[in-house]
Amino acid sequence: QSALAQPASVSGSPGQSLTISCTGTSSDIGRYNDVSWYQQHPGKAPQLVIYDIRDRPSGVSDRFSGSKSGDTASLTISGLQAEDEADYYCCSYTSDSTWVFGGGTKVTVL
Amino acid sequence: QLVESGGGLMQPGGSLTLACAASGLSIRNSYMSWFRQPPGKGLEWVSVLYSGGIAHYADSVKGRFFISRDKSNNTLYLQMNGLRAEDTAVYFCAKGGARNSWTPWGQGALVTVSS
Repeated sequence: QSALAQPASVSGSPGQSLTISCTGTSSDIGRYNDVSWYQQHPGKAPQLVIYDIRDRPSGVSDRFSGSKSGDTASLTISGLQAEDEADYYCCSYTSDSTWVFGGGTKVTVL
Repeated sequence: QLVESGGGLMQPGGSLTLACAASGLSIRNSYMSWFRQPPGKGLEWVSVLYSGGIAHYADSVKGRFFISRDKSNNTLYLQMNGLRAEDTAVYFCAKGGARNSWTPWGQGALVTVSS
């Protein structure tokens, strides 16, 4: 199972919005709504920010939103804040009963 | 929370067992997974164990790693055999949530395979 494709880095100024894309195949993102996104600060464990394409766990800011079209999922961060600077990973369940991650996107707040 | 333990420096070909102790949550009726993250690289799913006992593994560890659980002490394990340099990573455990998502995660345990 090949990794999902994410941009290596994206950046934005405080208050702006940015979107991270995550492209898979018809065996993962294109087949299932079981797409989740994780935020990881340096040296820390990943934290779930989006599941089921667009749902937020309790406690996660509504500045985080998700969507999907075909084989591509997206995470949008609105009203960018300094604390949003982190690595972000998309993840999808697959037809092999496994999970596949994207390579990760480093978000920089300018 | 979940707390991993058992990491360390191992020689190629060696064996090691990681533990993931759960507190404040029960793994008895949950599905649980192990993940890993090589230094400076991205996340990789390693293995899942369902409450009924069915397990699945990533191709990179199939036949070498084995996942298990002890319901009596609320702990998940990962037995790693035939360790290779490319198994060097921080290993995380996580509890399965809604729609095949993972939360919470443990803090991770570093496994280094080197001669």
